[in-house]
Amino acid sequence: GAVVSQHPSWVICKSGTSVKIECRSLDFQATTMFWYRQFPKQSLMLMATSNEGSKATYEQGVEKDKFLINHASLTLSTLTVTSAHPEDSSFYICSAPSGDRGREFFGPGTRLTVL
Amino acid sequence: DQQVKQNSPSLSVQEGRISILNCDYTNSMFDYFLWYKKYPAEGPTFLISISSIKDKNEDGRFTVFLNKSAKHLSLHIVPSQPGDSAVYFCAASVGAGNMLTFGGGTRLMVKP
Repeated sequence: GAVVSQHPSWVICKSGTSVKIECRSLDFQATTMFWYRQFPKQSLMLMATSNEGSKATYEQGVEKDKFLINHASLTLSTLTVTSAHPEDSSFYICSAPSGDRGREFFGPGTRLTVL
Repeated sequence: DQQVKQNSPSLSVQEGRISILNCDYTNSMFDYFLWYKKYPAEGPTFLISISSIKDKNEDGRFTVFLNKSAKHLSLHIVPSQPGDSAVYFCAASVGAGNMLTFGGGTRLMVKP
């Protein structure tokens, strides 16, 4: 089955620094990838849609200058959390649609802790 | 390798009948399981969850069954309604509130 990987799986950083998270589709091409943030009580918020060859589409309330998204190729999207603050600490999960009846393949997630 | 799998990409059910969505997992450390419903261009919406200490959890029309020995869970929707048509994802975690591992989803179509 299709696999999506994320790197790193966890990261700890100091407040004010930037952190880059990679999302890769390993055995299929993804012109679109989604970035989610997992909140307590398992709610999952769609942050943005990453589009290969064009700008990302951000959901309302998500700061595009803080959460930089670059869809560098058909298999790679990156999310950079700039000037991270402790309140940015969370799980960040990416996914890529498989093109098959609305299915998506989710990455394993990245745990970000900002000190 | 995928630790959570939904082997049926799609399911079509008549309105009023039961919808059964299946999910298998391989990681025996998973002890918390969830189902999400997703519409296009939106994030998944949490539906129902179950802890591994239970084998059944019910919430209105939705019931989740967990078979730990088979590493299998299922979501039953009774009666199915056209508004239930969406993609359903199962997810699992080691401990409630920890990182989720998702299945690939099953598209449910409920026909009037």
